[in-house]
Amino acid sequence: AQSVTQLGSHVSVSEGALVLLRCNYSSSVPPYLFWYVQYPNQGLQLLLKYTSAATLVKGINGFEAEFKKSETSFHLTKPSAHMSDAAEYFCAVRPTQGGSEKLVFGKGTKLTVNP
Amino acid sequence: DGGITQSPKYLFRKEGQNVTLSCEQNLNHDAMYWYRQDPGQGLRLIYYSQIVNDFQKGDIAEGYSVSREKKESFPLTVTSAQKNPTAFYLCASSIGSESYEQYFGPGTRLTVT
Repeated sequence: AQSVTQLGSHVSVSEGALVLLRCNYSSSVPPYLFWYVQYPNQGLQLLLKYTSAATLVKGINGFEAEFKKSETSFHLTKPSAHMSDAAEYFCAVRPTQGGSEKLVFGKGTKLTVNP
Repeated sequence: DGGITQSPKYLFRKEGQNVTLSCEQNLNHDAMYWYRQDPGQGLRLIYYSQIVNDFQKGDIAEGYSVSREKKESFPLTVTSAQKNPTAFYLCASSIGSESYEQYFGPGTRLTVT
């Protein structure tokens, strides 16, 4: 079964610093991959997605992620953190084979941005 | 404006009562989903429906029930059989089986005492 591991349940950065949130998946076949963001007491918003096209994916709010098959990783980055980036981030995976529509989510990483 | 609405935002119930959470979408999406979110647990799938009048159990369906009588509506009932019903519930939809991403509603926070 597919699984997703997000390394670090809490990440803290200073405003203006690099943001790096880690996501690793377990699958013998590269799946579709997603990053979502959730602000307190709100639903999830799609940041970006990898669907087997370009390995470097650009999303909203200046975020991007790189798919690395050899490392089974899909880490999320942003060159310069802003206070408004403080939120919880979820990595999710969906198999490309088997006909399943179900997304499998990681447990989330809460990002704190310090002034 | 197209989107997914969930109501109410906050819901309080006494233990032993059934409660129904509303989810409506005007995106003309075929597929709809219910997730439960607990702190540090990520999202867990309760039920999903790929088409009207059909739905499947997710990973944690026990103590929950759903219906899909209309394309735009997918209500979730939390029954008294659900042992730990207090949680944040999220509804989502996607265009269909060929779609990649899911779109989420704002969520309902259910507290049972």
